Amino acid sequence: AQKVTQAQTEISVVEKEDVTLDCVYETRDTTYYLFWYKQPPSGELVFLIRRNSFDEQNEISGRYSWNFQKSTSSFNFTITASQVVDSAVYFCALSEWGATNKLIFGTGTLLAVQP
Amino acid sequence: GAGVSQSPRYKVAKRGQDVALRCDPISGHVSLFWYQQALGQGPEFLTYFQNEAQLDKSGLPSDRFFAERPEGSVSTLKIQRTQQEDSAVYLCASSSYDRGKIGTEAFFGQGTRLTVV
Repeated sequence: AQKVTQAQTEISVVEKEDVTLDCVYETRDTTYYLFWYKQPPSGELVFLIRRNSFDEQNEISGRYSWNFQKSTSSFNFTITASQVVDSAVYFCALSEWGATNKLIFGTGTLLAVQP
Repeated sequence: GAGVSQSPRYKVAKRGQDVALRCDPISGHVSLFWYQQALGQGPEFLTYFQNEAQLDKSGLPSDRFFAERPEGSVSTLKIQRTQQEDSAVYLCASSSYDRGKIGTEAFFGQGTRLTVV
């Protein structure tokens, strides 16, 4: 069965600290995509990154970086030098090969960055 | 518009009332999704349209839930005889995904918060 687990319900850090959000997934498919979305208080889900199952190369985008490890079925997200504007709920999601391309979301991690 | 637009943003319904939630996807997007997000949870898939065809409705929780996209653009999610457990945020997303392609980014609207009292 497809499943995404985000074990951290809430994380609180002080501005400029680094923080890592964990994501573990389960799937029987060999072809799949992993995503991270940010949900600020306004409610709209904002796309951050997409990785396919054949590309384990880590990625860095500004203060954001992602560590994809198939051996542990993990796709962790690190924010370097966090800022108050990073405060939001972050969701990890899985999409398998198929006609629908629907997303299976984790339960989210609420990140609070204190000034 | 530039993004996915949903209306109303907030809806309060009395138990037993019917409601209709509207989604205007990004112009030209083939795919449209509806998700339900309960408080403190991640979004859960409800249904998927490719143009006007509803290809997957496996996530609809009961036959009280009905979705349509008659002209392949605007979509409406209808809930009949609302119950308290229907209280949630209903999110709409669209993407340019078409058959044969995977992993296309989905763009989400701000959602409709439904409260059933």
